[in-house]
Amino acid sequence: AQRVTQPEKLLSVFKGAPVELKCNYSYSGSPELFWYVQYSRQRLQLLLRHISRESIKGFTADLNKGETSFHLKKPFAQEEDSAMYYCALASGYSTLTFGKGTMLLVSP
Amino acid sequence: GAGVSQSPSNKVTEKGKDVELRCDPISGHTALYWYRQSLGQGLEFLIYFQGNSAPDKSGLPSDRFSAERTGGSVSTLTIQRTQQEDSAVYLCASSLEINQPQHFGDGTRLSIL
Repeated sequence: AQRVTQPEKLLSVFKGAPVELKCNYSYSGSPELFWYVQYSRQRLQLLLRHISRESIKGFTADLNKGETSFHLKKPFAQEEDSAMYYCALASGYSTLTFGKGTMLLVSP
Repeated sequence: GAGVSQSPSNKVTEKGKDVELRCDPISGHTALYWYRQSLGQGLEFLIYFQGNSAPDKSGLPSDRFSAERTGGSVSTLTIQRTQQEDSAVYLCASSLEINQPQHFGDGTRLSIL
């Protein structure tokens, strides 16, 4: 069975500090990984996906198959990054499996 | 439409009543998903549709929950004889195909008194 683990419920940093939101997964095949974000009073939306290998709003995430991780990183956090972040895994023709989410709070 | 639309946005009802939640996906999206978001529980998958068929109903919490989709478009999630533990935000999402990124609606906040 596939599983996504986000070990931190809450991550609190100061503006300008580096951020790393951890995500580990378990799946025996070749997964596709996503990060979704939910800002306050907004709907859940896709932030990035690993196959795109792109940077969105300064965030990047690299799939590490050896460590089965897909951590989300940003070198300098901004207050507007405060939100709930969900890591998700898709495998073949199946639905997304979401982690429980990490709340990121960026203080001034 | 411009995005996934869900109605009602809020629903308050008494324990034991039936409720029906509606989801209108993005036009042309073949796959539609229902999730439940409870405080501290993250996103819980309930059911998904490929067209009008529901290949995976494994996430439905009990036989009080059912869902249908007609015309490959609108879907309704029905909860019969609601219980207080059913209180949550119910999210709907749609995607072009089953393995494509999902687009979410604003959700329906359900409160059972």
